[in-house]
Amino acid sequence: GAVVSQHPSRVICKSGTSVKIECRSLDFQATTMFWYRQFPKQSLMLMATSNEGSKATYEQGVEKDKFLINHASLTLSTLTVTSAHPEDSSFYICSARGSAGTGYEQYFGPGTRLTVT
Amino acid sequence: RKEVEQDPGPFNVPEGATVAFNCTYSNSASQSFFWYRQDCRKEPKLLMSVYSSGNEDGRFTAQLNRPSQYISLLIRDSKLSDSATYLCVGLNNAGNMLTFGGGTRLMVKP
Repeated sequence: GAVVSQHPSRVICKSGTSVKIECRSLDFQATTMFWYRQFPKQSLMLMATSNEGSKATYEQGVEKDKFLINHASLTLSTLTVTSAHPEDSSFYICSARGSAGTGYEQYFGPGTRLTVT
Repeated sequence: RKEVEQDPGPFNVPEGATVAFNCTYSNSASQSFFWYRQDCRKEPKLLMSVYSSGNEDGRFTAQLNRPSQYISLLIRDSKLSDSATYLCVGLNNAGNMLTFGGGTRLMVKP
């Protein structure tokens, strides 16, 4: 149980275009989803936290107009990187967490490797 | 001071050795902790949850020291496959997640 999928696993796009990444909890309802970014040999950096049906809460320094997050259902959250630039190239990972009664463990998707040329 | 800090390592140990590393946290309201392992270019995978004083699962033991505000991870009889980066993260009593520690890299050698 507790499987999280992410799509696509790898994407290459041109500078200035937008990219949408999907995160799905396959066998549980995710009341909260998290989006992270990880640069090579660096730690996970939390970008935003989203609760189903609510606006996402962004971490300091993360532009909400650039990284659009939608968490419209209990099993799906999307991250759209708008007007991508080469410095946005990174490993984007989502995680999902169920309600408090199910524990606070987060389960991670396999990640999306974004390369902006 | 960062909310969660870890010694980045690397810890280089021979196969079969016992290794332990700590994760210190600054928020005394933290209630729950988790250890994750992350392999190179992969997502983190949950290794162990620590809700009270500690937890044990096979060769892995996690202990929580609230007075000193750290959690430890002990790995006995290290295997080559244990080579990875180990991340810790804590939650406060509202269920809000603290940041992940920077991770401790473990390398088990033959």
